[in-house]
Amino acid sequence: GQNIDQPTEMTATEGAIVQINCTYQTSGFNGLFWYQQHAGEAPTFLSYNVLDGLEEKGRFSSFLSRSKGYSYLLLKELQMKDSASYLCAGPNTNAGKSTFGDGTTLTVKP
Amino acid sequence: DAGVIQSPRHEVTEMGQEVTLRCKPISGHDYLFWYRQTMMRGLELLIYFNNNVPIDDSGMPEDRFSAKMPNASFSTLKIQPSEPRDSAVYFCASSFGGYSYNEQFFGPGTRLTVL
Repeated sequence: GQNIDQPTEMTATEGAIVQINCTYQTSGFNGLFWYQQHAGEAPTFLSYNVLDGLEEKGRFSSFLSRSKGYSYLLLKELQMKDSASYLCAGPNTNAGKSTFGDGTTLTVKP
Repeated sequence: DAGVIQSPRHEVTEMGQEVTLRCKPISGHDYLFWYRQTMMRGLELLIYFNNNVPIDDSGMPEDRFSAKMPNASFSTLKIQPSEPRDSAVYFCASSFGGYSYNEQFFGPGTRLTVL
């Protein structure tokens, strides 16, 4: 995706913690979304950060630093069902649309 | 609410044929987006509408692609003529409430195969 970078693949073990990073160009962006997409399915919303800091939702947390153009998604107590692609997306204030990253494919192993 | 509805779910056609994909957004949503997803290019925004008006179609790859939204509850994406490189999953998404700061709800997608 244009102006958004995230790792292509990650592997982690069931029960562990994994952090998926996302960097983006700061101009024109206001906050950041995270979506989860299982193979063969549509993306579904996970979180939206508009302010700096960490937001926690159960096993998932998302962090944003607007000045650094940096966000991460933290997944705790990994389960096999967490194997999916995780897409970060930034609302673009200049264009009125969201720009999606290429996604990070997470594989959770037993 | 039934969520975003797309049809057909799967489409197989031959090169040169016209293809029409359909989308019904969530009632009350004022933004509608058409995306294309492939392994090579990821999720690409093709076009989006606000209150039925096309706002940005810069992602539409060629003149062979066109999209319409005749009313708040229906949109179409047409490819004429189709080519094998158009094979992809096409998603429609909708959102509510101004601009792009709000969560987008995706439909199940249409898997298009052009032979």
